[in-house]
Formats: sequence, C-alpha cells, structure tokens
Amino acid sequence: EAQVTQNPRYLITVTGKKLTVTCSQNMNHEYMSWYRQDPGLGLRQIYYSMNVEVTDKGDVPEGYKVSRKEKRNFPLILESPSPNQTSLYFCASSLRNRGTEAFFGQGTRLTVV
Amino acid sequence: AQSVTQLDSQVPVFEEAPVELRCNYSSSVSVYLFWYVQYPNQGLQLLLKYLSGSTLVKGINGFEAEFNKSQTSFHLRKPSVHISDTAEYFCAVSALTGANNLFFGTGTRLTVIP
Repeated sequence: EAQVTQNPRYLITVTGKKLTVTCSQNMNHEYMSWYRQDPGLGLRQIYYSMNVEVTDKGDVPEGYKVSRKEKRNFPLILESPSPNQTSLYFCASSLRNRGTEAFFGQGTRLTVV
Repeated sequence: AQSVTQLDSQVPVFEEAPVELRCNYSSSVSVYLFWYVQYPNQGLQLLLKYLSGSTLVKGINGFEAEFNKSQTSFHLRKPSVHISDTAEYFCAVSALTGANNLFFGTGTRLTVIP
C-alpha cells in the first residue's frame, strides 16, 4: 500500500529537549516536504526536498532542521524546541513533476511545555 | 509569490443540501489549483485538481470545482452533502515553474447537520 508514515503520532516534550520526527514514504517519490498546521493559519511549509541531499527552506523554517540522506526518509529535527512550536506537523511526498498529487502522512501532534 | 484566500472558515449545512466552498488565489505566475480534504485525525487527501483544459473538474465523492481565470477563483461545490462530508477542506496552488511547492489557504470547516 502506498503510504507516508510519520512517527510518533503524538509527542509531549519539554522546552530545549532535542527531538526528531521521522517520515518515510514507499512510493519512490523525489519530492518531500514538511508542513505545520495551526488553527486559522492553514498549512505552512517548513522545509522541502527535491531529491536526495537537496533541501531548501519553506515559509517558516526557523527552529527546524531536515536531512535527506536517503530517498525514502525525510526527518524533521527540532534542536531546541520552544512552546511556539507546539503544532500539528505533516510530512508529504510527491513526484517531482509539477501538478502531481501530494500524499500526506497521518500527522504528528507535538506539544512543547 | 502565491497566496490563497478561503473566506469562509466554517460552513454549516444541512444534510442533502447543496454547498459551495469559496477559494480565491493571487499569483504573479500561472498556477495549478487543488482541493484537499482532511477528515478528523487524518492527513490530507486530494479531492480534485485543475491543470488545464475544461474549467469544470470533477473529483472524488461527488465534488466538483470550477476554475475562473478572470475572477482568480476555484470554488468547490457539491449538489447534495452527506454526513460523511464533514471535514476540513483546503484550497491550494502551485506554480507552473520553480519548485513543486503547494501554498494552502487557511481551510474551511464543513459541518453537515443531520
């Protein structure tokens, strides 16, 4: 089954404690992306990757890091989480051709206290 | 740069009534247009998209949308809604050139009332 898998689904952490949210896709997609979803703001792009070892900033990259060492994986790293990073996070993947469908993971609800 | 406006944050509608969810966009370049749906506690999934050709596009679950270039709109419609259509709906655009990034509106929560 074609899917994008994120882990964990729920996470509560403390300010400053480094964390990683994993994302893996099994569709051999070149393009992967991370979004955060906040009430009244919709989805905003954090980082994206056009292919292995190629990443770039989205609209809200501050406080986040990513890496793309393998085609299937695109982890999101918060080196020093802060309460304003409490949000619902989605990973997505698609073919690199423009206009193609993006496939989304189930989401990770992160709370930073 | 692209931006998407969904004027209605919440739309309540009775079961079997028609519904229209509005979407307007702004872009300095030509764009592709999408509607995604998010059911409770799930990720987003594609409802329909407009790339080119006929301005009326049909999607899954009986939804359709019409692209209007002069009004820069891409409104989503369904002639008769079901309880199972209760969800959040996002309009999105991506440019024909440059990175394959999606820009989303703020979403419209559709609540179908029995």
